[in-house]
Amino acid sequence: AQTVTQSQPEMSVQEAETVTLSCTYDTSENNYYLFWYKQPPSRQMILVIRQEAYKQQNATENRFSVNFQKAAKSFSLKISDSQLGDTAMYFCAFMTLFTSGTYKYIFGTGTRLKVLA
Amino acid sequence: DAGVTQSPTHLIKTRGQQVTLRCSPKSGHDTVSWYQQALGQGPQFIFQYYEEEERQRGNFPDRFSGHQFPNYSSELNVNALLLGDSALYLCASSLVSALAKNIQYFGAGTRLSVL
Repeated sequence: AQTVTQSQPEMSVQEAETVTLSCTYDTSENNYYLFWYKQPPSRQMILVIRQEAYKQQNATENRFSVNFQKAAKSFSLKISDSQLGDTAMYFCAFMTLFTSGTYKYIFGTGTRLKVLA
Repeated sequence: DAGVTQSPTHLIKTRGQQVTLRCSPKSGHDTVSWYQQALGQGPQFIFQYYEEEERQRGNFPDRFSGHQFPNYSSELNVNALLLGDSALYLCASSLVSALAKNIQYFGAGTRLSVL
Protein backbone atom coordinates (compact mmCIF):
# COMPACT_ATOMS: atom_id res chain seq x y z
CA ALA A 1 0.00 0.00 0.00
CA GLN A 2 1.15 3.51 -0.71
CA THR A 3 2.00 5.86 2.13
CA VAL A 4 2.86 9.55 2.19
CA THR A 5 4.87 11.05 5.04
CA GLN A 6 5.28 14.72 5.89
CA SER A 7 7.67 14.93 8.81
CA GLN A 8 7.33 18.66 9.52
CA PRO A 9 4.04 19.40 11.31
CA GLU A 10 4.73 23.13 11.45
CA MET A 11 7.14 25.56 9.85
CA SER A 12 7.57 29.30 9.73
CA VAL A 13 9.42 31.60 7.34
CA GLN A 14 10.04 35.31 7.09
CA GLU A 15 8.33 37.15 4.30
CA ALA A 16 10.45 37.19 1.10
CA GLU A 17 12.56 34.27 2.30
CA THR A 18 12.66 30.73 0.89
CA VAL A 19 11.28 27.65 2.62
CA THR A 20 11.31 23.95 1.73
CA LEU A 21 8.63 21.50 2.80
CA SER A 22 9.52 17.81 2.86
CA CYS A 23 7.55 14.81 1.64
CA THR A 24 8.48 11.17 1.26
CA TYR A 25 6.34 8.38 -0.08
CA ASP A 26 6.42 4.65 -0.45
CA THR A 27 5.15 2.72 -3.44
CA SER A 28 6.00 -0.25 -5.60
CA GLU A 29 4.46 1.35 -8.65
CA ASN A 30 6.44 2.92 -11.42
CA ASN A 31 3.84 5.20 -12.95
CA TYR A 32 2.19 7.68 -10.63
CA TYR A 33 1.70 11.38 -10.02
CA LEU A 34 2.60 13.61 -7.12
CA PHE A 35 0.93 16.82 -6.04
CA TRP A 36 1.22 19.59 -3.52
CA TYR A 37 -2.06 21.12 -2.38
CA LYS A 38 -2.55 24.18 -0.22
CA GLN A 39 -5.44 24.51 2.25
CA PRO A 40 -5.90 28.03 3.63
CA PRO A 41 -8.24 28.76 6.57
CA SER A 42 -11.09 28.99 4.06
CA ARG A 43 -10.76 25.16 3.85
CA GLN A 44 -10.74 24.92 0.08
CA MET A 45 -7.88 22.80 -1.22
CA ILE A 46 -5.97 24.51 -4.00
CA LEU A 47 -3.53 22.79 -6.34
CA VAL A 48 -0.02 24.22 -6.03
CA ILE A 49 2.02 22.00 -8.31
CA ARG A 50 1.95 18.62 -10.07
CA GLN A 51 4.70 16.17 -11.07
CA GLU A 52 4.51 13.09 -13.29
CA ALA A 53 6.76 10.31 -12.02
CA TYR A 54 7.99 9.47 -15.50
CA LYS A 55 9.35 13.00 -15.99
CA GLN A 56 12.80 13.62 -14.60
CA GLN A 57 12.51 17.38 -14.93
CA ASN A 58 11.31 19.06 -11.76
CA ALA A 59 8.02 20.94 -12.06
CA THR A 60 7.90 24.68 -11.45
CA GLU A 61 5.01 27.10 -11.10
CA ASN A 62 6.10 30.70 -10.60
CA ARG A 63 7.49 30.89 -7.04
CA PHE A 64 6.84 27.19 -6.39
CA SER A 65 9.16 24.39 -7.45
CA VAL A 66 9.73 20.79 -6.49
CA ASN A 67 12.75 18.59 -5.97
CA PHE A 68 11.64 15.17 -7.17
CA GLN A 69 14.01 12.34 -6.33
CA LYS A 70 12.35 9.18 -7.64
CA ALA A 71 14.93 6.71 -6.39
CA ALA A 72 14.78 8.21 -2.92
CA LYS A 73 10.98 8.56 -3.13
CA SER A 74 11.23 12.16 -2.07
CA PHE A 75 9.13 15.09 -3.28
CA SER A 76 9.90 18.39 -1.56
CA LEU A 77 8.29 21.76 -2.25
CA LYS A 78 10.31 24.96 -2.37
CA ILE A 79 8.54 28.29 -1.98
CA SER A 80 10.64 31.27 -3.01
CA ASP A 81 9.97 34.88 -2.06
CA SER A 82 7.39 33.79 0.53
CA GLN A 83 4.30 35.95 0.83
CA LEU A 84 1.82 36.39 3.66
CA GLY A 85 -0.81 34.76 1.47
CA ASP A 86 1.23 31.56 1.43
CA THR A 87 0.23 30.95 5.05
CA ALA A 88 -1.75 27.70 4.93
CA MET A 89 -1.68 23.98 5.48
CA TYR A 90 0.27 22.20 2.73
CA PHE A 91 -0.48 18.63 1.78
CA CYS A 92 1.63 16.30 -0.30
CA ALA A 93 -0.42 13.77 -2.28
CA PHE A 94 0.33 10.61 -4.24
CA MET A 95 -1.98 9.55 -7.05
CA THR A 96 -2.41 6.11 -8.55
CA LEU A 97 -3.96 6.11 -12.01
CA PHE A 98 -5.93 3.05 -13.06
CA THR A 99 -6.40 1.81 -16.63
CA SER A 100 -10.03 2.90 -16.50
CA GLY A 101 -8.82 6.46 -16.16
CA THR A 102 -10.04 6.68 -12.58
CA TYR A 103 -7.59 7.25 -9.80
CA LYS A 104 -6.96 7.26 -6.08
CA TYR A 105 -5.22 9.90 -3.98
CA ILE A 106 -3.27 9.35 -0.77
CA PHE A 107 -2.56 12.49 1.24
CA GLY A 108 0.08 13.17 3.85
CA THR A 109 -0.77 14.62 7.25
CA GLY A 110 0.20 18.12 6.21
CA THR A 111 2.64 20.86 7.15
CA ARG A 112 1.30 24.06 8.65
CA LEU A 113 3.26 26.96 7.16
CA LYS A 114 3.20 30.41 8.69
CA VAL A 115 4.74 33.33 6.83
CA LEU A 116 5.87 36.06 9.22
CA ALA A 117 5.80 39.76 8.37
CA ASP B 1 -17.77 29.17 -14.34
CA ALA B 2 -18.85 27.73 -10.99
CA GLY B 3 -16.32 25.55 -9.26
CA VAL B 4 -17.14 22.57 -7.07
CA THR B 5 -20.01 23.37 -4.75
CA GLN B 6 -21.00 21.46 -1.64
CA SER B 7 -24.03 21.65 0.59
CA PRO B 8 -24.70 22.16 3.37
CA THR B 9 -21.75 24.09 4.76
CA HIS B 10 -22.26 22.88 8.30
CA LEU B 11 -24.33 20.11 9.78
CA ILE B 12 -25.00 18.88 13.31
CA LYS B 13 -26.36 15.38 13.89
CA THR B 14 -26.64 12.99 16.81
CA ARG B 15 -25.26 9.48 17.09
CA GLY B 16 -27.23 6.88 15.19
CA GLN B 17 -28.72 9.32 12.72
CA GLN B 18 -28.21 9.32 8.99
CA VAL B 19 -26.83 12.18 6.90
CA THR B 20 -26.67 13.09 3.21
CA LEU B 21 -24.09 15.47 1.81
CA ARG B 22 -24.27 16.89 -1.69
CA CYS B 23 -21.75 17.91 -4.30
CA SER B 24 -21.98 19.57 -7.70
CA PRO B 25 -18.84 19.14 -9.76
CA LYS B 26 -17.06 21.82 -11.70
CA SER B 27 -18.68 22.41 -15.07
CA GLY B 28 -17.47 19.85 -17.61
CA HIS B 29 -16.20 17.37 -15.03
CA ASP B 30 -17.48 13.78 -14.95
CA THR B 31 -15.75 12.25 -11.93
CA VAL B 32 -16.43 12.94 -8.26
CA SER B 33 -14.37 11.81 -5.29
CA TRP B 34 -15.21 12.13 -1.61
CA TYR B 35 -12.76 12.59 1.25
CA GLN B 36 -13.01 12.69 5.03
CA GLN B 37 -10.68 15.12 6.77
CA ALA B 38 -10.47 14.82 10.53
CA LEU B 39 -9.23 17.85 12.47
CA GLY B 40 -5.49 18.32 11.98
CA GLN B 41 -5.22 15.45 9.51
CA GLY B 42 -4.93 15.02 5.78
CA PRO B 43 -7.93 14.03 3.67
CA GLN B 44 -8.73 10.31 3.60
CA PHE B 45 -10.15 8.91 0.36
CA ILE B 46 -13.66 7.50 0.79
CA PHE B 47 -14.70 6.63 -2.77
CA GLN B 48 -14.91 7.85 -6.33
CA TYR B 49 -17.81 7.89 -8.78
CA TYR B 50 -17.59 7.87 -12.54
CA GLU B 51 -20.39 7.09 -15.01
CA GLU B 52 -22.78 6.75 -12.06
CA GLU B 53 -20.83 3.86 -10.58
CA GLU B 54 -18.48 3.56 -7.63
CA ARG B 55 -15.11 2.94 -9.25
CA GLN B 56 -12.63 3.14 -6.39
CA ARG B 57 -13.05 2.87 -2.64
CA GLY B 58 -10.88 3.57 0.37
CA ASN B 59 -10.93 1.82 3.74
CA PHE B 60 -14.33 2.96 4.90
CA PRO B 61 -17.17 0.76 6.19
CA ASP B 62 -20.38 0.11 4.31
CA ARG B 63 -22.09 2.78 6.42
CA PHE B 64 -20.57 5.15 3.89
CA SER B 65 -22.35 4.99 0.56
CA GLY B 66 -22.82 7.28 -2.37
CA HIS B 67 -24.51 8.00 -5.58
CA GLN B 68 -23.80 9.86 -8.79
CA PHE B 69 -26.58 11.29 -10.89
CA PRO B 70 -26.77 11.64 -14.69
CA ASN B 71 -25.80 15.32 -14.37
CA TYR B 72 -22.60 14.16 -12.58
CA SER B 73 -23.60 15.58 -9.21
CA SER B 74 -23.09 13.27 -6.25
CA GLU B 75 -24.29 12.46 -2.78
CA LEU B 76 -22.48 10.95 0.17
CA ASN B 77 -24.63 9.09 2.67
CA VAL B 78 -23.50 8.04 6.12
CA ASN B 79 -25.72 5.76 8.19
CA ALA B 80 -25.65 5.03 11.93
CA LEU B 81 -23.46 8.03 12.68
CA LEU B 82 -20.67 7.66 15.22
CA LEU B 83 -18.88 10.38 17.14
CA GLY B 84 -15.78 9.54 15.10
CA ASP B 85 -17.57 10.53 11.90
CA SER B 86 -17.22 14.18 12.93
CA ALA B 87 -15.01 15.71 10.25
CA LEU B 88 -14.79 17.94 7.22
CA TYR B 89 -16.09 16.11 4.17
CA LEU B 90 -14.52 17.25 0.93
CA CYS B 91 -15.76 16.65 -2.57
CA ALA B 92 -13.40 16.85 -5.53
CA SER B 93 -14.15 16.66 -9.22
CA SER B 94 -12.11 16.01 -12.33
CA LEU B 95 -12.38 14.96 -15.94
CA VAL B 96 -11.32 11.50 -17.08
CA SER B 97 -9.19 12.68 -19.92
CA ALA B 98 -5.49 12.66 -20.64
CA LEU B 99 -5.72 16.36 -21.36
CA ALA B 100 -7.17 17.03 -17.93
CA LYS B 101 -3.90 15.88 -16.36
CA ASN B 102 -5.74 14.07 -13.55
CA ILE B 103 -6.11 17.28 -11.62
CA GLN B 104 -8.79 17.41 -8.96
CA TYR B 105 -10.67 20.55 -8.00
CA PHE B 106 -12.00 20.67 -4.46
CA GLY B 107 -15.06 22.17 -2.88
CA ALA B 108 -14.96 24.04 0.41
CA GLY B 109 -16.36 21.06 2.26
CA THR B 110 -19.16 20.23 4.66
CA ARG B 111 -18.32 20.34 8.36
CA LEU B 112 -20.21 17.50 10.08
CA SER B 113 -20.46 17.43 13.85
CA VAL B 114 -21.88 14.32 15.52
CA LEU B 115 -23.03 14.82 19.11
